[in-house]
Amino acid sequence: DQQVKQNSPSLSVQEGRISILNCDYTNSMFDYFLWYKKYPAEGPTFLISISSIKDKNEDGRFTVFLNKSAKHLSLHIVPSQPGDSAVYFCAASWGGSQGNLIFGKGTKLSVKP
Amino acid sequence: EAEVAQSPRYKITEKSQAVAFWCDPISGHATLYWYRQILGQGPELLVQFQDESVVDDSQLPKDRFSAERLKGVDSTLKIQPAELGDSAMYLCASKPPGDFDGYTFGSGTRLTVV
Repeated sequence: DQQVKQNSPSLSVQEGRISILNCDYTNSMFDYFLWYKKYPAEGPTFLISISSIKDKNEDGRFTVFLNKSAKHLSLHIVPSQPGDSAVYFCAASWGGSQGNLIFGKGTKLSVKP
Repeated sequence: EAEVAQSPRYKITEKSQAVAFWCDPISGHATLYWYRQILGQGPELLVQFQDESVVDDSQLPKDRFSAERLKGVDSTLKIQPAELGDSAMYLCASKPPGDFDGYTFGSGTRLTVV
């Protein structure tokens, strides 16, 4: 039973446009959410996070939105750049900083020039 | 910039053989994790250490997998015997106290079992 779901395996966007990556979760105990970016043959790298007490967090071109009632979060990238092409993983945690992360299956983003 | 070091980067082994992976976390990171990522899937936790103690190994196939972190610093993950289904990327991550944003992954070891 997958607790963190990324239902779109891939997404293709034109350079300069907005990329929206979606993530759904089933465990209402999750209280911290993160997005990771992964290039081939490298480990995931941290991108942005959001606590369950917030509904939005912004960092430069990246914004994460959290809708707790819908158990849904999304990552917006504006404007998208070819260097953003990678696999994006949504991850969630509960139980404070002693817990571990539960990952979705990832969405492969391709940004075309 | 501090990194989580993993070796080897790539490993090819025959089934039924033993294989071991090594991880050196960022200095000062007491929490260390081993994840397995199968192609097309997200990373799945195998084992979590707090210093030298195992916090969570509920998803570790203990009949063939073992992990240790004897001095609370670097860690070794072993598979014996390896099976074809073990082919995956094995990722190590470490985290400073109280900071999930500081959760840092190594580059991983790509294991191929033939």
